[in-house]
Amino acid sequence: DQQVKQNSPSLSVQEGRISILNCDYTNSMFDYFLWYKKYPAEGPTFLISISSIKDKNEDGRFTVFLNKSAKHLSLHIVPSQPGDSAVYFCAASGRGGSQGNLIFGKGTKLSVKP
Amino acid sequence: EAGVVQSPRYKIIEKKQPVAFWCNPISGHNTLYWYLQNLGQGPELLIRYENEEAVDDSQLPKDRFSAERLKGVDSTLKIQPAELGDSAVYLCASSWRGGDTEAFFGQGTRLTVV
Repeated sequence: DQQVKQNSPSLSVQEGRISILNCDYTNSMFDYFLWYKKYPAEGPTFLISISSIKDKNEDGRFTVFLNKSAKHLSLHIVPSQPGDSAVYFCAASGRGGSQGNLIFGKGTKLSVKP
Repeated sequence: EAGVVQSPRYKIIEKKQPVAFWCNPISGHNTLYWYLQNLGQGPELLIRYENEEAVDDSQLPKDRFSAERLKGVDSTLKIQPAELGDSAVYLCASSWRGGDTEAFFGQGTRLTVV
């Protein structure tokens, strides 16, 4: 059973526009959420995170929104740049025992066109 | 600060042969993860260590996979014997602690079993 779901395998956006990547989770014990970016032949790179006590966290062009009641989070990139083209993974974890595991979605491939 | 170091970067072996991957986490990071990533999929957790203790190895196929983290620093993941289906990227990550801190990944080891 997939605990972290990214239902869009790919997304194409024009340079300068907003990119919105979505993620849903099923485990109510998750209380920490992260986004990672991955280029080919490299390991995932940490991008931004949010704790369940917040509903928004912003870092430059990247903003993550968390809707706990809907078990949904999204990553907004504004403005999108060609260098943002990569695979984006949503991840989640909780506290204690196996809840401390970092669980990943399957990823969304973002293509930003000049 | 040095990142997570993995070796080798690439490995090609014949089926039924043994193989080992090595990981050196970021200094001071107590939590270490081993993930497996198949093409087009997200990282899937194999095992998580807190210091030298394997706190969750429920997803590790113990008939052929083994892992150790002696002295709570470096870690080795071994497969014996390797099967064709083990071809994947093996990722190591570390974090200060599990549950509410970001994990940092190494570049991964791409294993090809022929």
